[in-house]
Amino acid sequence: TQLLEQSPQFLSIQEGENLTVYCNSSSVFSSLQWYRQEPGEGPVLLVTVVTGGEVKKLKRLTFQFGDARKDSSLHITAAQPGDTGLYLCAGGKLQFGAGTQVVVTP
Amino acid sequence: GAVVSQHPSRVICKSGTSVKIECRSLDFQATTMFWYRQFPKKSLMLMATSNEGSKATYEQGVEKDKFLINHASLTLSTLTVTSAHPEDSSFYICSARDMGYRDTEAFFGQGTRLTVV
Repeated sequence: TQLLEQSPQFLSIQEGENLTVYCNSSSVFSSLQWYRQEPGEGPVLLVTVVTGGEVKKLKRLTFQFGDARKDSSLHITAAQPGDTGLYLCAGGKLQFGAGTQVVVTP
Repeated sequence: GAVVSQHPSRVICKSGTSVKIECRSLDFQATTMFWYRQFPKKSLMLMATSNEGSKATYEQGVEKDKFLINHASLTLSTLTVTSAHPEDSSFYICSARDMGYRDTEAFFGQGTRLTVV
């Protein structure tokens, strides 16, 4: 089983601040996905990263895949209350990390 | 992205009864669907992989006879929780892969909140 570890587990910030969420593994992945899940809903796919060193941007969200394809990060610039949610990384056989709960307060 | 519909969104059942949850891919064909269980404020735990036309593959520790999975068509997979007990209460989520997307991308249903009383 390829284990994905996410950090931090919980993040509470004020609107306008920046934040970074990490997803790490000792295994190499052909790709990693990032999802956001809101309470009572299924996860929604945000992005897939495939190439080592790849950087993808989705509005205020920046995703990076490590050169060795073992880790990834999600950076949110100028966070807004609408960014609140559980952020999950997934790879391999859709095994998920434990998730990072992000709370952005106005 | 592709759309996956899960039904029902909420169900309350009595202990000892069975509950069926449906997962449909609405605008694509899914040869593979996944069933997850999620506890409050926790991540998704993969229960089983549902393959169209063949038996599901269950993860270690998941009881096959307890959680029956049927994937009879390319657009529908069902999960039946048999003889449900209060400890089966949880949030169950399905996901499906669109064959046109990258192998590991999947789209999720809205989830089903099961409460066994």
